[in-house]
Amino acid sequence: AQSVTQLGSHVSVSEGALVLLRCNYSSSVPPYLFWYVQYPNQGLQLLLKYTTGATLVKGINGFEAEFKKSETSFHLTKPSAHMSDAAEYFCAALIQGAQKLVFGQGTRLTINP
Amino acid sequence: DTGVSQNPRHKITKRGQNVTFRCDPISEHNRLYWYRQTLGQGPEFLTYFQNEAQLEKSRLLSDRFSAERPKGSFSTLEIQRTEQGDSAMYLCASSLGNLDTQYFGPGTRLTVL
Repeated sequence: AQSVTQLGSHVSVSEGALVLLRCNYSSSVPPYLFWYVQYPNQGLQLLLKYTTGATLVKGINGFEAEFKKSETSFHLTKPSAHMSDAAEYFCAALIQGAQKLVFGQGTRLTINP
Repeated sequence: DTGVSQNPRHKITKRGQNVTFRCDPISEHNRLYWYRQTLGQGPEFLTYFQNEAQLEKSRLLSDRFSAERPKGSFSTLEIQRTEQGDSAMYLCASSLGNLDTQYFGPGTRLTVL
């Protein structure tokens, strides 16, 4: 069965520092991959997605992610953290032929002033 | 495009009571999904509809849970004889079709006392 693993349930960085949130998936077939952000008591907002083609994907708010098939990874990065980036981030996979998103357990990002 | 809406946003009920949640998807979206998210976890798939047909149900969806999507528009999720373990955020999402991005509503937070 496919699964998504996010390394680190809590990541803390200083404002202006690099943000790196890790995501690995397990699937025999490369899935479609997504990063969502969730602010307190709100639903999930799509940051970016990878389907096919270019492996470096740019999203909203300055985030980007790179699909690496050899490493089965889809890590999320942002060069310079902003206070407004503090939120919960979820990596998710959609396996072709399946209908449901499989989510990682989430990473809470804290930004220190 | 008004996005996915869910009502109510919060529901507090006593154990044993029945509750019903409503989801209004993005108007042209054929697919509608329900997920459940417990504290500190990623969302877990419950069920999905294509138009009015319910095509898949998770094992998480016990007999006390029922979902409908009459006329392929809005959907309702009913929980009968609620238990404390049902306390969670219930998220609805919609997509245009298979493998398309799922857009999430703000969720309904259920607390069972």
